[in-house]
Amino acid sequence: DSGVTQTPKHLITATGQRVTLRCSPRSGDLSVYWYQQSLDQGLQFLIQYYNGEERAKGNILERFSAQQFPDLHSELNLSSLELGDSALYFCASSEPGRGYTFGSGTRLTVV
Amino acid sequence: GESVGLHLPTLSVQEGDNSIINCAYSNSASDYFIWYKQESGKGPQFIIDIRSNMDKRQGQRVTVLLNKTVKHLSLQIAATQPGDSAVYFCAETDNYGQNFVFGPGTRLSVLP
Repeated sequence: DSGVTQTPKHLITATGQRVTLRCSPRSGDLSVYWYQQSLDQGLQFLIQYYNGEERAKGNILERFSAQQFPDLHSELNLSSLELGDSALYFCASSEPGRGYTFGSGTRLTVV
Repeated sequence: GESVGLHLPTLSVQEGDNSIINCAYSNSASDYFIWYKQESGKGPQFIIDIRSNMDKRQGQRVTVLLNKTVKHLSLQIAATQPGDSAVYFCAETDNYGQNFVFGPGTRLSVLP
């Protein structure tokens, strides 16, 4: 157990729908990062939050949004889903000077 | 942090041989480097790290080498085992955990 918890582990939904992925960071970590990983691809950075505020944005589509709550858990919202959004979505947390710790991911399948 | 999505290069090695996985990093200001291992369907897991004031660091069966002159990082795995089969990512960041960048990844395939 890495200490980073992601739910759900698997999600199957239809095109056009909206889903919410949830992440609880490792205890004491203020930063949360979201990554997308399509089949046999690298990790695509989506967005970073630090202590509730957006810190950095990567290749995140306008259909996607995220937030970090006062208790530091984060949610990634994916809307108007397309087949190409099917991927593994990872959350990671970190503190300065420490590496990332990844959750086990949410596998999203859009049918 | 960002990464570029690419089809993964593959390294195939015989069981028992040593493996060397290479990574070129981009930011000369990067101060901290990490290797991650990702098994199929799982999240990346920390393997070993190294700070820029070191050239070499050893763990259990793994060694990371850092060449700051040419901005090159390598991961050596001794006596490669079937359980080492995975995708390996290098990552670089500055000392404050900002500008975290992942390399594209290398798939290690261990042959019996």
